[in-house]
Amino acid sequence: QQQVKQSPQSLIVQKGGISIINCAYENTAFDYFPWYQQFPGKGPALLIAIRPDVSEKKEGRFTISFNKSAKQFSLHIMDSQPGDSATYFCAASKIYNQGGKLIFGQGTELSVKP
Amino acid sequence: NAGVTQTPKFQVLKTGQSMTLQCAQDMNHEYMSWYRQDPGMGLRLIHYSVGAGITDQGEVPNGYNVSRSTTEDFPLRLLSAAPSQTSVYFCASTRGLNSPLHFGNGTRLTVT
Repeated sequence: QQQVKQSPQSLIVQKGGISIINCAYENTAFDYFPWYQQFPGKGPALLIAIRPDVSEKKEGRFTISFNKSAKQFSLHIMDSQPGDSATYFCAASKIYNQGGKLIFGQGTELSVKP
Repeated sequence: NAGVTQTPKFQVLKTGQSMTLQCAQDMNHEYMSWYRQDPGMGLRLIHYSVGAGITDQGEVPNGYNVSRSTTEDFPLRLLSAAPSQTSVYFCASTRGLNSPLHFGNGTRLTVT
């Protein structure tokens, strides 16, 4: 049973466009929602994370939008660049579940065309 | 700092063979974990550890063993490899609650 569902599976965006990746979760006990970015041949790396007490968090061109009532959160990449081409994973965890126990979405392969 | 180091980078096994995937971190993190990455499945937790001598099962533990004798090392053992264990394996560490996971660069395992 997939507790975190991610869409789309793949995404092609023109340079300068907005990339949007969506995730939905089932377990209301989740209260930490990170996004990880993975380049080919590398391990995932934390991009940005949000807690459910805020509806939006922005870091540079990357924004997380969070809708607690709908149990959904999304990643927006503004002014997408070819260097953003990577696989993106959303994830969720419970704060009292300790570090290292993340539930990941299925991943989105983003390609930004020049 | 090397971060999280995984060896080997690539491995091919025959069904029934055993092997150990090595993982070491030099950040003095208490928490370490193993994930496997499969197409369309994301990353799934195999085993994790909250400190030396303490391990627990994750979402997909069958066929894998772990031990944590030191803070730095967290090896993953496949006792009798099966084709279903063909995957990319990632080791990760973190200093604690809701802190970033630091991943190694993975081991690509093929079981024929």
